[in-house]
Amino acid sequence: DGGITQSPKYLFRKEGQNVTLSCEQNLNHDAMYWYRQDPGQGLRLIYYSQIVNDFQKGDIAEGYSVSREKKESFPLTVTSAQKNPTAFYLCASRPKRSSYEQYFGPGTRLTVT
Amino acid sequence: DQQVKQNSPSLSVQEGRISILNCDYTNSMFDYFLWYKKYPAEGPTFLISISSIKDKNEDGRFTVFLNKSAKHLSLHIVPSQPGDSAVYFCAASPGAGSYQLTFGKGTKLSVIP
Repeated sequence: DGGITQSPKYLFRKEGQNVTLSCEQNLNHDAMYWYRQDPGQGLRLIYYSQIVNDFQKGDIAEGYSVSREKKESFPLTVTSAQKNPTAFYLCASRPKRSSYEQYFGPGTRLTVT
Repeated sequence: DQQVKQNSPSLSVQEGRISILNCDYTNSMFDYFLWYKKYPAEGPTFLISISSIKDKNEDGRFTVFLNKSAKHLSLHIVPSQPGDSAVYFCAASPGAGSYQLTFGKGTKLSVIP
């Protein structure tokens, strides 16, 4: 069945290491998004991509990088330049140009020590 | 500057009663509004939306009201059920070709049996 998968569910890394979070969707959605959620905070947009091989920075892109080589995949790399990387990361996709609803994956909890 | 505000971090309601979750926005360009429901350690799920050309949208137990002049929207859940206990996020989009969402910080609803 169709959906958005994020792996792994929990991820632990040492400070100074880059880490890549996976996001895959088989919904044939064009647009994909990465958000970060911190305790007591809303979702903040990191990066988004409307089509393959194109992506734009969101509100908090510093210390992150993405790629969109395939329609189904939108991996997020948290680099060592991100000052506070510990957070809950959510990937989302949106079906078509005229639709506002975004559909979310289950999230990845990243802990950096 | 927070453009979407949910001023109540938490709300407790008795089972069977009405739950009213509020959301205020400051950006008059916002044209489309959505509510999401989120359980702990899971991704948000889309609940209901409303376009600025309407003042009410209803879907089963859920109704969203929009007051454009006051820049205020509310989500009504009636009757409330224990399974409704979750964090509810309000989100807004400027429309006009932009499908980015700006989220509020969320309101944690607890429905007491």
